[in-house]
Amino acid sequence: EAQVTQNPRYLITVTGKKLTVTCSQNMNHEYMSWYRQDPGLGLRQIYYSMNVEVTDKGDVPEGYKVSRKEKRNFPLILESPSPNQTSLYFCASSLRQGVADTQYFGPGTRLTVL
Amino acid sequence: QKEVEQNSGPLSVPEGAIASLNCTYSDRGSQSFFWYRQYSGKSPELIMFIYSNGDKEDGRFTAQLNKASQYVSLLIRDSQPSDSATYLCAASRRYSGGGADGLTFGKGTHLIIQP
Repeated sequence: EAQVTQNPRYLITVTGKKLTVTCSQNMNHEYMSWYRQDPGLGLRQIYYSMNVEVTDKGDVPEGYKVSRKEKRNFPLILESPSPNQTSLYFCASSLRQGVADTQYFGPGTRLTVL
Repeated sequence: QKEVEQNSGPLSVPEGAIASLNCTYSDRGSQSFFWYRQYSGKSPELIMFIYSNGDKEDGRFTAQLNKASQYVSLLIRDSQPSDSATYLCAASRRYSGGGADGLTFGKGTHLIIQP
């Protein structure tokens, strides 16, 4: 089954404790992206990657890191999480980012930073 | 700064009627537009995309694009209670290198279909 998976789905952590949210897709997609979704603010892009070893900042990259060492994986790293990073996070992928390309979203990761 | 604007709603529509959802965008460089549906606590799922001026129909859904007015809309015919969800409008911009730098989402319109 074609899908985007994220782990963990739910995470409660404390300020300053490094964490990684994994994202993996099995569709051989070139483009991958991370979003956060907050009430009243909608979906905002954190980072995106056009292909292996190619990443770029989205609208809200502060406090996050990403890497794209393999085509299928695009982990999101929070080196020192803070309470304002409490949010619902989505990973998405598409064959390529451009006209008419469908972005497939993962199931989401609900993160709480105490 | 790229912006996509939507009325947050809620928009209440009786079952069987046409639901009309609207979206405006600020970036004239935006070339393709997407409508996603999101149920509470779930991930967004694509309904339709459109990149040419005019209408595009897919089943009960029709997307409309007017680039001169920077306006995108989604019509849902014969609305069903299962259509009750938040609808997200998104715009993509293609840069000169041939790719695009991601999607900018509106904050979404909450649609309620009344049985």
